[in-house]
Amino acid sequence: AQKVTQAQTEISVVEKEDVTLDCVYETRDTTYYLFWYKQPPSGELVFLIRRNSFDEQNEISGRYSWNFQKSTSSFNFTITASQVVDSAVYFCALSEADQAGTALIFGKGTTLSVSS
Amino acid sequence: KAGVTQTPRYLIKTRGQQVTLSCSPISGHRSVSWYQQTPGQGLQFLFEYFSETQRNKGNFPGRFSGRQFSNSRSEMNVSTLELGDSALYLCASRPGAGVNTEAFFGQGTRLTVV
Repeated sequence: AQKVTQAQTEISVVEKEDVTLDCVYETRDTTYYLFWYKQPPSGELVFLIRRNSFDEQNEISGRYSWNFQKSTSSFNFTITASQVVDSAVYFCALSEADQAGTALIFGKGTTLSVSS
Repeated sequence: KAGVTQTPRYLIKTRGQQVTLSCSPISGHRSVSWYQQTPGQGLQFLFEYFSETQRNKGNFPGRFSGRQFSNSRSEMNVSTLELGDSALYLCASRPGAGVNTEAFFGQGTRLTVV
C-alpha cells in the first residue's frame, strides 16, 4: 500500500540555519510522482515541487533544494539560510500513476518554526 | 488569474445537521479534488471529479458526497454531521486529468460541528 512518512513532527531553528525535512515513501508502482507543499497559517497548500519517479536529478530553486533517492525511497527537502517567512507546515505527498484519478497521499507534515 | 475559491470560509453546524461546501476551481481547470484535514488524521483524500464524473473516492462513509457542475464548480455535502467531521476541508483544482500536473489548493472551509 502507498504511504508517506514524515518522521519529524516539529523542527525549530534560528534564522540563517540550514534545515532538512525528511520524507520517506512506500509504493508498489514504478511510475509515481512526489510533491512538496507548504501550508502557511492562512491554510492553503502552496505547491513547491513535483518530481516523477524516473527523474532522480536533484533540484535547486533559490534557497530550496530537493534530494530524491529511489534506493532509499526518500525525497528530502532542504532550506538553506532559513528565514522567518519559512515558518509553516510542510507536507510531502505521493501520487501513483496507476490509479483512477490523481489522489495525493500526504505525510503528516512537519511544522517548521524559524525564529529571528 | 483568480485562484481556487472556497465558500464559506468558516462554518459552525450542530451534530445531526447537514452541510454543503462549495469550490470554484481556477478558470479552465476541469479536475477538482476534495481533502479533509484534521489534527489526528492529517490530510486525507475525499473524492475527485473530472468533467462532472467522479473519478476516485477515498475511504469515507457514504455521508460524504459530492458533485461537479458543467462549469467545473464543485460542491461537497456531509449529512448527519458528527463531532469528528470538524475539520478543514480543502479543495484542489488541476488543469487536466493527468497525475503529473500540480494541484492548486484553495484556503479551505473550516467546519466546526458542535
